[in-house]
Amino acid sequence: NAGVMQNPRHLVRRRGQEARLRCSPMKGHSHVYWYRQLPEEGLKFMVYLQKENIIDESGMPKERFSAEFPKEGPSILRIQQVVRGDSAAYFCASSPRWASERGDEQFFGPGTRLTVL
Amino acid sequence: AQSVTQLGSHVSVSEGALVLLRCNYSSSVPPYLFWYVQYPNQGLQLLLKYTSAATLVKGINGFEAEFKKSETSFHLTKPSAHMSDAAEYFCAVSDSGGGANSKLTFGKGITLSVRP
Repeated sequence: NAGVMQNPRHLVRRRGQEARLRCSPMKGHSHVYWYRQLPEEGLKFMVYLQKENIIDESGMPKERFSAEFPKEGPSILRIQQVVRGDSAAYFCASSPRWASERGDEQFFGPGTRLTVL
Repeated sequence: AQSVTQLGSHVSVSEGALVLLRCNYSSSVPPYLFWYVQYPNQGLQLLLKYTSAATLVKGINGFEAEFKKSETSFHLTKPSAHMSDAAEYFCAVSDSGGGANSKLTFGKGITLSVRP
């Protein structure tokens, strides 16, 4: 049973380009979360999605960032017109649709490390 | 709003020594608390979690943590450090009554080094 998959693992973009980060949740999971880890910082919540719905985007920057989780295919985090401050590790996590107990675990992918030149 | 404080950014211990990583939280509702470990260039792996059952929680790799409501703490311990424990450790709190839609609020993390 494969874990959470993220690709690419490393992504280099020049300022002004677009970055697309992909996340395939664990089989049977329909809840996806995106977190960003800046250097020397902990992970910061960005957005929580279920299939075809954004549930909570309170951690997303107001501009240039968007996320989707379509009915078919992976979840996509899209960053338009990247700037150097977007350089970070972006982690995706997933959890099952049903909560077998409260405080369910989120399973994390290996992350995408974005470098903006 | 939830928050997590992990004092200090780096802890160094000798192999075989006690490991103690501190975590204090702030929460307006009964919290769900987690410790995750991150090895270099990898994702986060759950070590253990507190979900309002026993206050002493045992996790993987010999780690355990004790929930102390009066001190708002959830410190992580291991009796005897191993070289393979060298990693970054994150404490996190869940911001709702639980369930799969709970986002996690993380501390800044603590890097654990283990000396031979």
